[in-house]
Amino acid sequence: AQSVTQPDIHITVSEGASLELRCNYSYGATPYLFWYVQSPGQGLQLLLKYFSGDTLVQGIKGFEAEFKRSQSSFNLRKPSVHWSDAAEYFCAVDTGTGGGADGLTFGKGTHLIIQP
Amino acid sequence: NAGVMQNPRHLVRRRGQEARLRCSPMKGHSHVYWYRQLPEEGLKFMVYLQKENIIDESGMPKERFSAEFPKEGPSILRIQQVVRGDSAAYFCASSPTGAGEEYIPYFGAGTRLSVL
Repeated sequence: AQSVTQPDIHITVSEGASLELRCNYSYGATPYLFWYVQSPGQGLQLLLKYFSGDTLVQGIKGFEAEFKRSQSSFNLRKPSVHWSDAAEYFCAVDTGTGGGADGLTFGKGTHLIIQP
Repeated sequence: NAGVMQNPRHLVRRRGQEARLRCSPMKGHSHVYWYRQLPEEGLKFMVYLQKENIIDESGMPKERFSAEFPKEGPSILRIQQVVRGDSAAYFCASSPTGAGEEYIPYFGAGTRLSVL
């Protein structure tokens, strides 16, 4: 079965600084990869996704992520964070075997704190 | 185009009562997924439905939990005889397809169930 690891439970970044959130997955082939963001008491908003093709994908709110097959990673980046980026970030994978079976497998999340 | 609508947003039940959680998918989406978010455990897949069919319920507890997605109306997640351990946030997601590059789960704001 696939698994997702987000090694950083909390990350603190100064406003205006760059950000990288790590995500590693375990699966024999290339899965579908997603990043979602969750603000307190809210649902999950899709930031970006990777299915195939260009390994650098652009998302909403200035986020991007790079798929690295050799490292089984899909790290999320932003060049300059804003206070409104403070939230919980989830990496998720789907094996893409069809039918959505087993749904998405989520990492435990990274809590992003923005310092003024 | 409204997003995924879940209601109620908050639900309080006493032990032994029934909880009914509703999910209306995005317009044009016929694939619905339910997830549960427990503290310290993260988001876990529960069940995948299409209209009038349960496709995958591998994440559903064997007892007390059931889900449906009728031909007309919202998808319902039903929890009978609730216990304190059922307290969690329950999220619904919908997608236009269950596989391929159009497989993109969009999440609702969730229902937060509290069992007294």
